[in-house]
Amino acid sequence: DTAVSQTPKYLVTQMGNDKSIKCEQNLGHDTMYWYKQDSKKFLKIMFSYNNKELIINETVPNRFSPKSPDKAHLNLHINSLELGDSAVYFCASSQDPTGGYSNQPQHFGDGTRLSIL
Amino acid sequence: SQQGEEDPQALSIQEGENATMNCSYKTSINNLQWYRQNSGRGLVHLILIRSNEREKHSGRLRVTLDTSKKSSSLLITASRAADTASYFCATVRNQAGTALIFGKGTTLSVSS
Repeated sequence: DTAVSQTPKYLVTQMGNDKSIKCEQNLGHDTMYWYKQDSKKFLKIMFSYNNKELIINETVPNRFSPKSPDKAHLNLHINSLELGDSAVYFCASSQDPTGGYSNQPQHFGDGTRLSIL
Repeated sequence: SQQGEEDPQALSIQEGENATMNCSYKTSINNLQWYRQNSGRGLVHLILIRSNEREKHSGRLRVTLDTSKKSSSLLITASRAADTASYFCATVRNQAGTALIFGKGTTLSVSS
């Protein structure tokens, strides 16, 4: 009965590779997010989607491309991985209105720990 | 730029004691939220306080918000070992299309 699930939990790969992280939520929420947490635990918003449409893109390199096939899924594809991409990536969802601001609790997955060798 | 700053960065207390964490932010907000993160897990929403509210309670949690000082505090009363975690405040700017902006977090250790 996991609300927000991400796969894989761990991802170890080499520089230059392309990888994807999948996220699914079964809460019926309209808005989904990707956050990046660095080694100092600092969390930063990367993307936000509402009903499959991109709402927020916070100055993320275009090597990162989110894709939302439906409102329950938001996947993250990363091209040409770099050492600095090593981090924990969290998917989240909330029931927030289109064009509004986040005034509902966000539900987070358990994260994908990405390590670049 | 980062919105919230928590203080202290780390806090160690004994079971039964109260734990207070503070958060400061820079711009006007619509609401402020507190989250807990256990080691190796995702964030769990604890409480949301809107900009027109001054205090909110939820079980052993008490949150205050002072918009004039751009600060908030989270008080956990009668701490338990299970409260050991990192705690983050997150603000939402009063501007459409924005998401949570997190502070650096406070790491709380509660020993039995």
